[in-house]
Amino acid sequence: NAGVTQTPKFRILKIGQSMTLQCTQDMNHNYMYWYRQDPGMGLKLIYYSVGAGITDKGEVPNGYNVSRSTTEDFPLRLELAAPSQTSVYFCASTRAETEAFFGQGTRLTVV
Amino acid sequence: LAKTTQPISMDSYEGQEVNITCSHNNIATNDYITWYQQFPSQGPRFIIQGYKTKVTNEVASLFIPADRKSSTLSLPRVSLSDTAVYYCLVGGDSNYQLIWGAGTKLIIKP
Repeated sequence: NAGVTQTPKFRILKIGQSMTLQCTQDMNHNYMYWYRQDPGMGLKLIYYSVGAGITDKGEVPNGYNVSRSTTEDFPLRLELAAPSQTSVYFCASTRAETEAFFGQGTRLTVV
Repeated sequence: LAKTTQPISMDSYEGQEVNITCSHNNIATNDYITWYQQFPSQGPRFIIQGYKTKVTNEVASLFIPADRKSSTLSLPRVSLSDTAVYYCLVGGDSNYQLIWGAGTKLIIKP
């Protein structure tokens, strides 16, 4: 049972480049989330999904896009990378009213 | 969405009991209270969850008063490895978003 798997673990992007952060869970959870965490700060919700085909914006969605074509996968897309998107990104999944499981994180640097 | 308020930081010593309180004045009837622990460069990890009264597991206890407007995470006999950030979350069927507060940075000293 792998839980929540994020790839890649580290990435350096140049300003204006695009990339997709992958997130997969094998627990059949309906709810999935993308967060970013800046140094010394709490987690900020970027996007979330309550099931396949359903996504919604969180606190800080600008500059990001998501899709949820299957229950298992919830990729996060950065279209035009900016230095302000330098952060650690976490994907999480849960069923309602139960604990959330987190991936190991992706450390992204935009230069 | 129920907002949570926690102390920004706390410190204690090895072997002591540590209590971290979280305020959630506008908690909804169906909301649960969940606590997580986060170490640097790692994702948060579930500690304990409760709805009312007291819940205990192998690592912590959670005390929730009758009005449910606050909760207290109790860590018995802490060690240096308990140094981490602790987050209190409130949510349930009425709140899918899992909004996180700033958390409490707990530092355990030898």
